[in-house]
Amino acid sequence: EDQVTQSPEALRLQEGESSSLNCSYTVSGLRGLFWYRQDPGKGPEFLFTLYSAGEEKEKERLKATLTKKESFLHITAPKPEDSATYLCARGIREKLTFGTGTRLTIIP
Amino acid sequence: SAVISQKPSRDICQRGTSLTIQCQVDSQVTMMFWYRQQPGQSLTLIATANQGSEATYESGFVIDKFPISRPNLTFSTLTVSNMSPEDSSIYLCSVGPESSYEQYFGPGTRLTVT
Repeated sequence: EDQVTQSPEALRLQEGESSSLNCSYTVSGLRGLFWYRQDPGKGPEFLFTLYSAGEEKEKERLKATLTKKESFLHITAPKPEDSATYLCARGIREKLTFGTGTRLTIIP
Repeated sequence: SAVISQKPSRDICQRGTSLTIQCQVDSQVTMMFWYRQQPGQSLTLIATANQGSEATYESGFVIDKFPISRPNLTFSTLTVSNMSPEDSSIYLCSVGPESSYEQYFGPGTRLTVT
């Protein structure tokens, strides 16, 4: 079965407190692992694509990494504006299968 | 990345009626996708719409309920037919560049069915 599982469902951090979000997926036919940010009432905003195990990408306070069965989104010294729901998605050919997301809240 | 707009941004509709949602892109794209995001849930792909061919629907979604048009490379519509309260969701369109598999999303249409 095509599954993408994200954990935790929700995460509250103090401003400046670093942490990681997890995304695990079924492997066969992977055509990329994607991370998106979604703010309330808006469409998902593309962050990263990872294609192969060992790959890493960074953007500001975010770093995404990929292993054979998992991806992590590391957030370093977060700020309140980083509060959002973070979604990962697995690509199979042109289709994306999304996880249920991690709702991240950064407390000032 | 492409700039994507959707109309309407939100609507409240009566049970049994239909609503057509428009998706406009500022550049030509081959693939367009329609998703549903039910309250508190993640995104579920409804169908893939390629210009010049019939839309391809995912399991659990049928053309009679969600007819899609794709008249050109910058525009698509999704109709939600014979609506019930269970159709209350955010409907999102996305586009995928030919050079990669990532997708870029529109702002969504928030539909409430009463």
